[in-house]
Amino acid sequence: SQTIHQWPATLVQPVGSPLSLECTVEGTSNPNLYWYRQAAGRGLQLLFYSVGIGQISSEVPQNLSASRPQDRQFILSSKKLLLSDSGFYLCAWSPGGPNEQYFGPGTRLTVT
Amino acid sequence: AQRVTQPEKLLSVFKGAPVELKCNYSYSGSPELFWYVQYSRQRLQLLLRHISRESIKGFTADLNKGETSFHLKKPFAQEEDSAMYYCALQGGSEKLVFGKGTKLTVNP
Repeated sequence: SQTIHQWPATLVQPVGSPLSLECTVEGTSNPNLYWYRQAAGRGLQLLFYSVGIGQISSEVPQNLSASRPQDRQFILSSKKLLLSDSGFYLCAWSPGGPNEQYFGPGTRLTVT
Repeated sequence: AQRVTQPEKLLSVFKGAPVELKCNYSYSGSPELFWYVQYSRQRLQLLLRHISRESIKGFTADLNKGETSFHLKKPFAQEEDSAMYYCALQGGSEKLVFGKGTKLTVNP
């Protein structure tokens, strides 16, 4: 069966520090991968998605970037964190097409 | 542009009462519509999708193209239905557009 992992679960980082959040999927190949930010009252905001290795679509211009170095690995990064980057980050995968997305447990990021 | 609107941030009902969570969408083509649910301390997960036309945990949702709506309904709410509910639209691409969510509280 397929599983999706995210780490770390929680992270506290100072302003100006770099960021790397990792998401991996097991039990499937060539999944679509997604990064979302979830904020109370603002729902889920799609940040990036990828339909294949090295293919990244950015939805919102911001201080973050994403990479997909391997088929089932999706990384969210920043060179210098801002206070406004604090939030709950969710990774998801889908088999493509009009199908269900499967979500990871999320990472709670606090920028101080 | 694709847009999903959930007009109620919060919805509170009593156990056994009917519940309806509203969702309206904006999309010029034929959309795929979904309801996702997040229970306390659990992952966000699919509740149902319009194409399957099935009832999950007593919930149903009908796509009304004339009113561009996909409201979620349950005739008799249960306390375990308390959760965050998100309506989502997929229209001609590989991404989902989510509404801002409705927090449902079912009181005993």
